[in-house]
Amino acid sequence: AQSVTQLGSHVSVSEGALVLLRCNYSSSVPPYLFWYVQYPNQGLQLLLKYTSAATLVKGINGFEAEFKKSETSFHLTKPSAHMSDAAEYFCAVSDRGTGNQFYFGTGTSLTVIP
Amino acid sequence: DGGITQSPKYLFRKEGQNVTLSCEQNLNHDAMYWYRQDPGQGLRLIYYSQIVNDFQKGDIAEGYSVSREKKESFPLTVTSAQKNPTAFYLCASSITAGTNEKLFFGSGTQLSVL
Repeated sequence: AQSVTQLGSHVSVSEGALVLLRCNYSSSVPPYLFWYVQYPNQGLQLLLKYTSAATLVKGINGFEAEFKKSETSFHLTKPSAHMSDAAEYFCAVSDRGTGNQFYFGTGTSLTVIP
Repeated sequence: DGGITQSPKYLFRKEGQNVTLSCEQNLNHDAMYWYRQDPGQGLRLIYYSQIVNDFQKGDIAEGYSVSREKKESFPLTVTSAQKNPTAFYLCASSITAGTNEKLFFGSGTQLSVL
């Protein structure tokens, strides 16, 4: 089964600073990769996804992520943090083959300090 | 507006009681999912349905049951066999059951035990 690891359950950055949220996956075959954001007491919404083609994926709200096969990573970045970015972020993976499972990481809570 | 509606937002269960969480979507999506979210554990799949009148167990199906009699509805019953039901429950859907699909989430139901 797939697994995904998010290093750092809590990340704090100053407003205007770089945001870096880490995600590593376990599969030897590159999976589909996703980043979702969750605001308090709400469901998740998709930030971006990698399915093939370009390894640098741009998403909503200025976020982007780079797929690195050699490092089995899909880290999420944003050049300049905004107060509205404070939320929980989840990395998810799914297999390219059969099965219908999406495997979610344990999440990273982002705090933005004014 | 199209979307996923979960109700109720908050639900309390007494010992030995079965409770049902509602999930309705008007997105005309084929696939629907139920996830359980516990603090620090990310999302875990309870059940999913690829098509009407069909559903499959996820990783933590014990103590839960579902039905998919209509395309737009995927209710989850938390039975008395589920000994630790307190959690945030999220319903999701996708256009098809493909694993490269974006998941659309409802706003969740918080279930607590009295």
